[in-house]
Order: sequence, then structure tokens, then C-alpha cells
Amino acid sequence: GNSVTQMEGPVTLSEEAFLTINCTYTATGYPSLFWYVQYPGEGLQLLLKATKADDKGSNKGFEATYRKETTSFHLEKGSVQVSDSAVYFCALYPNTGNQFYFGTGTSLTVIP
Amino acid sequence: NAGVTQTPKFQVLKTGQSMTLQCAQDMNHEYMSWYRQDPGMGLRLIHYSVGAGITDQGEVPNGYNVSRSTTEDFPLRLLSAAPSQTSVYFCASRPTWWSRQETQYFGPGTRLLVL
Repeated sequence: GNSVTQMEGPVTLSEEAFLTINCTYTATGYPSLFWYVQYPGEGLQLLLKATKADDKGSNKGFEATYRKETTSFHLEKGSVQVSDSAVYFCALYPNTGNQFYFGTGTSLTVIP
Repeated sequence: NAGVTQTPKFQVLKTGQSMTLQCAQDMNHEYMSWYRQDPGMGLRLIHYSVGAGITDQGEVPNGYNVSRSTTEDFPLRLLSAAPSQTSVYFCASRPTWWSRQETQYFGPGTRLLVL
């Protein structure tokens, strides 16, 4: 079946530190992969996506590369800011079917 | 464009009461869905719809009903509220159900407390 496993949090980093949030998936075929961000009190919004193997999604300094060989889509940012404090969700949309599958979310707190 | 709107933002119910969570989108999206978000469990799909008149169950449909009489609206009904339904509910939409590349657009959520 389809599933997403995400690094457990919470994660606390100092400003300007390097961020990695791990995400691995199980799916048949070639799913599309997404990272969503949820700021406090808000709904989820798309951060970045990749739709085929070796694609790199990027936005607002965040990057993730679709690795078919390791079934991974790790989120990275070189220098985090206090404003990046949020919950991050990894998700997939499978090759066949009609629903998204989400990880459990990783809470990030960036301290000045 | 208002995007995806949800009402109410917050609701307190007593066990056994019923209520409807409203969701509307003004983007002419085919696909709409309802999720619940609980600590440590991420988002779980309750029901979804691939177009007006068509609905289907997700991972956790028990205790909830949906209908899709128009493209714009996708209300979620709690038939007889239970404390286990205390959660944050999100409605989402996307242009089509079949495209792998399209993202979902989420509403701001409804926080429900069942006493």
C-alpha cells in the first residue's frame, strides 16, 4: 500500500542552523511527492513538490530531491530563520488512485 | 478568489449533538476532501469527492456523512458527536482528481471540541 514515514519531532534549532527533515515513502510505481507547511493556527500550504525521480523541488530556500533508489524526499534548508517555525508534512499522491497520503508531521521551532 | 473557506472556526458540542461543518471553494475545483488532524497522527482522510454528486469514504469515515450537490460546496455532517471526534478539521480542494501533479488547497480549519 501507500504510506509516508516522517522524522519525528519536535525539532528545535538555533537561527541560521542547517535543517534536515527526513521523509521516506512506500508506493507502487512513481508517485508525486510534496512538502506542506502549516503555520500556527492556519491550514496547510504547499511548500514544494517533485513529480518524477531525480526532480528537485525548491521554494523559499527549502529543497527536496525525489530519490527513487532510496524512496526518500528529505527536506533541507541551509540557514533557518525564526519565521520558519511551523509543522512540516511530507505527502505523496500515487500513480494510481485518488487520494493523498500524509506523514505525521514534524514540528520545527527556531530560536533566535 | 477567497480560495477554500470553512465555517465555523471553532465549535463546542455536547455528546450526541449533530452539526454540519461547512466548506466552500470558488476555484471550480472538481476534487474536494475532508481531513481530521490529531496530535501524533498527522492528517487522516475522512471523505472525498471527485465531482458533484460523487462521494467516497476515506480512512476514517465512521460517524461522518458528506454530500456534494454543487461543485462549490462540500459539507461534513457529524451525526451524533462523540468525544473521540474532538479534533481539527480541514477541508481541501484540487482542480482535478486524476492529475498527479496538482497540489491541494486547504481551508483554515475548524476546531471542534466535543464534551
